[in-house]
Amino acid sequence: EVQLLQSGGGLVQPGGSLRLSCAASGFTFSTYAMSWVRQAPGKGLEWVSVITSTGSSTYNADSVKGRFTISRDNSKNTLYLQMNGLRAEDTAVYYCAKSGATILDAFDIWGQGTMVTVSS
Amino acid sequence: DIQMTQSPSSLSASVGDRVTITCQASQDISNYLNWYQQKPGKAPKLLIYGASNLETGVPSRFSGSGSGTDFTFTISSLQPEDVATYYCQQYDNIPLTFGPGTKVHMK
Repeated sequence: EVQLLQSGGGLVQPGGSLRLSCAASGFTFSTYAMSWVRQAPGKGLEWVSVITSTGSSTYNADSVKGRFTISRDNSKNTLYLQMNGLRAEDTAVYYCAKSGATILDAFDIWGQGTMVTVSS
Repeated sequence: DIQMTQSPSSLSASVGDRVTITCQASQDISNYLNWYQQKPGKAPKLLIYGASNLETGVPSRFSGSGSGTDFTFTISSLQPEDVATYYCQQYDNIPLTFGPGTKVHMK
């Protein structure tokens, strides 16, 4: 079964850090681009970051540039999102999502989502 | 950045009704447009990719059309399980952007 299983998340103070993980199974992880998409409570979807299949290139939304880093370990079939300098406005459910062979593609498989709450 | 708009923001329809949602891009995105369905508390699900291609396993009552800046998503015969929020998303350029969503209620 094709699956993305997320872990990490939780409550963190403003300015703090958190790392999210997304373990892939059921497909050849190393051949697909991967993204993080978030959804603030009661709001719509916001793309956050994307990484190419090899990990050689990454792109971020302006709202997280310089604070969030997307990475992947293809030997472990795992995607990561390192979040530093967290702000209240980063509070959201974070989803990992599988793209196609390139970064410009549909998100055809999604993780279950993990809640990140930034609050003192 | 490419801005995506959707209308209406919400709608109410009866079982069996035809439902249409429109999505407009702020610039020409060819057919690089996807549609997702999201039910409360769940992850989004891809329904339509490339503006008009039905994702595998998605019922044929869902369809999409359009190109350039104007796109349409249709549910030909609304079913109770279709109550959800629907999002369009462009993948012509980074940053990838979503529309604000259309919430579909049952009358």
